[in-house]
Amino acid sequence: AQSVTQLGSHVSVSEGALVLLRCNYSSSVPPYLFWYVQYPNQGLQLLLKYTSAATLVKGINGFEAEFKKSETSFHLTKPSAHMSDAAEYFCAVSDPSGTYKYIFGTGTRLKVLA
Amino acid sequence: NAGVTQTPKFRILKIGQSMTLQCTQDMNHNYMYWYRQDPGMGLKLIYYSVGAGITDKGEVPNGYNVSRSTTEDFPLRLELAAPSQTSVYFCASSAPGGPTDTQYFGPGTRLTVL
Repeated sequence: AQSVTQLGSHVSVSEGALVLLRCNYSSSVPPYLFWYVQYPNQGLQLLLKYTSAATLVKGINGFEAEFKKSETSFHLTKPSAHMSDAAEYFCAVSDPSGTYKYIFGTGTRLKVLA
Repeated sequence: NAGVTQTPKFRILKIGQSMTLQCTQDMNHNYMYWYRQDPGMGLKLIYYSVGAGITDKGEVPNGYNVSRSTTEDFPLRLELAAPSQTSVYFCASSAPGGPTDTQYFGPGTRLTVL
């Protein structure tokens, strides 16, 4: 069965510092991986997704993630944090069968310090 | 386009009451999903549908029912509300292109059962 693990339920960074949010996956088949962001009191919106076309994936708002098969990881990074990046971030893997259900990680809440 | 809309935004129920959470999408997506989000637990799939008239259970279906009579609507029914159903509920939809499809989320319904 597929699963994702997000290390660190809370991460704090200073404004302007590097953002690194970790996601590791467990899959017996090639995974399709997603990062979603949830701002306070809102639904989830897609940041980026890995579709096997390229291992380095660029998303919205300056975020990117690198798929590393050898490490079974898909960590999310941003070179310079902005106050508006404060949110909860979810990593998800898609079920490759016909239902295409997502399996979500438990989320990482990012706090940006002034 | 409105995307995925959910009503109501907030609701307080007494134990044993029933209610229906409404979800509508205007993107002509065949696939629709209901998730619940509990603190520190990420999102768990309750039910999903791959088209009108077709529904199936997700990871946490107990205490809920769904129907899908049209492509646009996917209501979630709670028959006998219990405190354990206090949660934030998200509806999502996607086009059935494959496992890399983006799921589009509604803004959520915050339900409290007292």
